[in-house]
Amino acid sequence: SQQGEEDPQALSIQEGENATMNCSYKTSINNLQWYRQNSGRGLVHLILIRSNEREKHSGRLRVTLDTSKKSSSLLITASRAADTASYFCATDATDSWGKLQFGAGTQVVVTP
Amino acid sequence: NAGVTQTPKFRVLKTGQSMTLLCAQDMNHEYMYWYRQDPGMGLRLIHYSVGEGTTAKGEVPDGYNVSRLKKQNFLLGLESAAPSQTSVYFCASSLSYSNQPQHFGDGTRLSIL
Repeated sequence: SQQGEEDPQALSIQEGENATMNCSYKTSINNLQWYRQNSGRGLVHLILIRSNEREKHSGRLRVTLDTSKKSSSLLITASRAADTASYFCATDATDSWGKLQFGAGTQVVVTP
Repeated sequence: NAGVTQTPKFRVLKTGQSMTLLCAQDMNHEYMYWYRQDPGMGLRLIHYSVGEGTTAKGEVPDGYNVSRLKKQNFLLGLESAAPSQTSVYFCASSLSYSNQPQHFGDGTRLSIL
């Protein structure tokens, strides 16, 4: 079963634009993580946000977490062609002892 | 610094054959995981290990076995491959069980004919 569900499933933008994707989940969490996957490669960790945090930044990435709505968003600002990838949220539920549950991902295409 | 290395990268098997996927990490991580990724779905946890000599079942363990004889290695075995096991398999490791990122290998693409 998938705990996190990303929205939209696919996103196409031009270089320089911002990209926003959302993740909804169902149970209480310790943290929520975002990963990027380039075609044919493994997942790369982007950001981990703990349940007591509301916002976190890393370079051009901004993640928000609203535990009352059980949702998170990932914003990529000033996107580049190299940001073309699939983005996954993963939840570390409070009763899962570190076992992550991944959503199906958002496929982002950034065109020059 | 290799991180997480998976071998082989590609493999084609016939139904009923067996094989072992190898995962090696050089980060001295305690926790290791095997996932499968199918089109349109997120990663699903097959088995995981919380330390050398220990393994546990994940979400989709049927048809797979694992072993963690050395801290740095985590092996995934298919005893009798089935077409439903055609997938991309990812290994990951983490320093501890919670509030830590997982580090992934580049995957093994397995086709069962």
